[in-house]
Amino acid sequence: EDQVTQSPEALRLQEGESSSLNCSYTVSGLRGLFWYRQDPGKGPEFLFTLYSAGEEKEKERLKATLTKKESFLHITAPKPEDSATYLCAVQSPSGNTPLVFGKGTRLSVIA
Amino acid sequence: DAGVTQSPTHLIKTRGQQVTLRCSPKSGHDTVSWYQQALGQGPQFIFQYYEEEERQRGNFPDRFSGHQFPNYSSELNVNALLLGDSALYLCASSLGGVDEKLFFGSGTQLSVL
Repeated sequence: EDQVTQSPEALRLQEGESSSLNCSYTVSGLRGLFWYRQDPGKGPEFLFTLYSAGEEKEKERLKATLTKKESFLHITAPKPEDSATYLCAVQSPSGNTPLVFGKGTRLSVIA
Repeated sequence: DAGVTQSPTHLIKTRGQQVTLRCSPKSGHDTVSWYQQALGQGPQFIFQYYEEEERQRGNFPDRFSGHQFPNYSSELNVNALLLGDSALYLCASSLGGVDEKLFFGSGTQLSVL
């Protein structure tokens, strides 16, 4: 059974204080690893898809990386508007299997 | 370009009642997936509809059922509501049944009293 574990559960940063969020996964083959951002009372918003170990993607202050067992979401010089819950999800290659999500990391960036 | 729209935004029901939630996918998308998100948890897959048929189903009881219409919109029905059904119900759309880059609606917050 596919599993996703995210750490830490919550993270509080000062504005400008860079850090990383972790997503560890167990999957029988990886079709893709996905990062989403979710604001309170809203649905998740797509950020990145990573397909193979060594791949990296960037968007503004966010950079996602992938290894064979985990993914990191690096946040460089965060701003208060980066405060949100960040969700990681995996998809195995067996047909059109649904995404399996982790519980997320709740990020608070304090001005 | 309208994104994924869900209705209603909030709903309060009592145990044993039935509820219907609605979803219109993003323009051009033909596949709708439904997820349940309990407080403090990640979304859990309920089922996926493609070409008006349920194509995939997660670990949810038969009390959860759905439908997809010819215009690709979808409904989620839950019968015999339990307190534990209280959650945010999310609809996500995609193209061609591939889950990559799911577009989510804002969800329906269901409270069962």
